[in-house]
Formats: sequence, structure tokens, C-alpha cells
Amino acid sequence: GAVVSQHPSRVICKSGTSVKIECRSLDFQATTMFWYRQFPKQSLMLMATSNEGSKATYEQGVEKDKFLINHASLTLSTLTVTSAHPEDSSFYICSARDARTAYGYTFGSGTRLTVV
Amino acid sequence: KNEVEQSPQNLTAQEGEFITINCSYSVGISALHWLQQHPGGGIVSLFMLSSGKKKHGRLIATINIQEKHSSLHITASHPRDSAVYICAVKVGNEKLTFGTGTRLTIIP
Repeated sequence: GAVVSQHPSRVICKSGTSVKIECRSLDFQATTMFWYRQFPKQSLMLMATSNEGSKATYEQGVEKDKFLINHASLTLSTLTVTSAHPEDSSFYICSARDARTAYGYTFGSGTRLTVV
Repeated sequence: KNEVEQSPQNLTAQEGEFITINCSYSVGISALHWLQQHPGGGIVSLFMLSSGKKKHGRLIATINIQEKHSSLHITASHPRDSAVYICAVKVGNEKLTFGTGTRLTIIP
């Protein structure tokens, strides 16, 4: 079945540094990738939608200069948290649109980011 | 008020019990998804529904479009079913809107 590989699964970084999270579709072409953020015991919140070869569409309230999204190829999308702050600590997860599957979406395994 | 409401928020049951998790939504949708999130955070798609009923193993999902309601049932529940179950609706072409999830704990 469709697989989206997300790395790293956990990362701890210092305030002010940048962190890159990668999502790769392993056996299909992900023309659209969704990036979500989840705070403890809360639902997933869509941050942005990225389409291969074009600029990402950010949801209201999400700083595009802080959360840089790149979708340079049909199998790779990256989210870079720039100048990280402790309030950026969260669970980040990607999801690829895959019309071939019965479910329509395949999720990555998530990245738990802790900024100290 | 959230567009997607789930109940109950938390559910603890004994192994073998029949489990029902409910999802109500307030907007017109093109599809409804049931997802399973394990303690480590990874999410697995269980069902995508636009009408009727689907069954996969011990899991059954139903949807009533007129009543804007869906249910996820688990038969013969097992401790490994312990997870957070999330209902999500697709409005329009792409975006999913998520419920806050139901935390299910099955006690041996």
C-alpha cells in the first residue's frame, strides 16, 4: 500500500535554530502534501497545503516565513521550522493525497519537536 | 462550536465488549474518514465513507448523510485496539477537518 515516510520522528533543538522535517512518498507520486500540527489532546490543525512545483498555501494564522514548506519533487515535501521557539514544540504530521488508495490520504508517522 | 464533534471523548471498556464511537458534523461533506492514532502519534486510515456502511475485520463504519452522523464500531474489542480514534470530514476537494478524537482504552 501507499507509504509516506516522515523523518525525524523526534527532534530536540535549541531556541533560535532551524529544524527540517521531511516527508517522502515511497511508492507513489504525491502531487499534494498536507502539513498538520497537533497539540496534546487536541485535534490536528492544517498548517499548509503544498503542491509540487508551486508555492504552498498557508492557513490563516500560520506564518509562512516561520514554517517554510518546499515541495520540489513529486515524492518529497519538507517543512522547516525557522528560528524555533519553545512554543513551536508540538507534533507535526504530513499527509499525502493519493487518489489510488481506498482512503484517499496516507499519513506520515509524525515528528515530535521539542524546542529547549 | 466545532464543525466535527465526537463522542465520547474518553471510553474505557473491558476486553471483548462492543464499542461505538460517534461523530456528528455540521457542514456538507464529500467524504468522512475514520483514523486511528496510536500513542506514538502515527495515524492510520481506517475508512473513507461517502454513504452506507463499510466493514474491515472487526471494524464497522456507518454514515447517515441526512442526519450528518457517522459511527465507528469495534466488535470483540482487544487491548491492542486502545488508541485515539479520529473522525475527519472532507469539505470540497481537498481539506480535511478533524474531530478532537476519542481516546479508547480496552482493559484485559
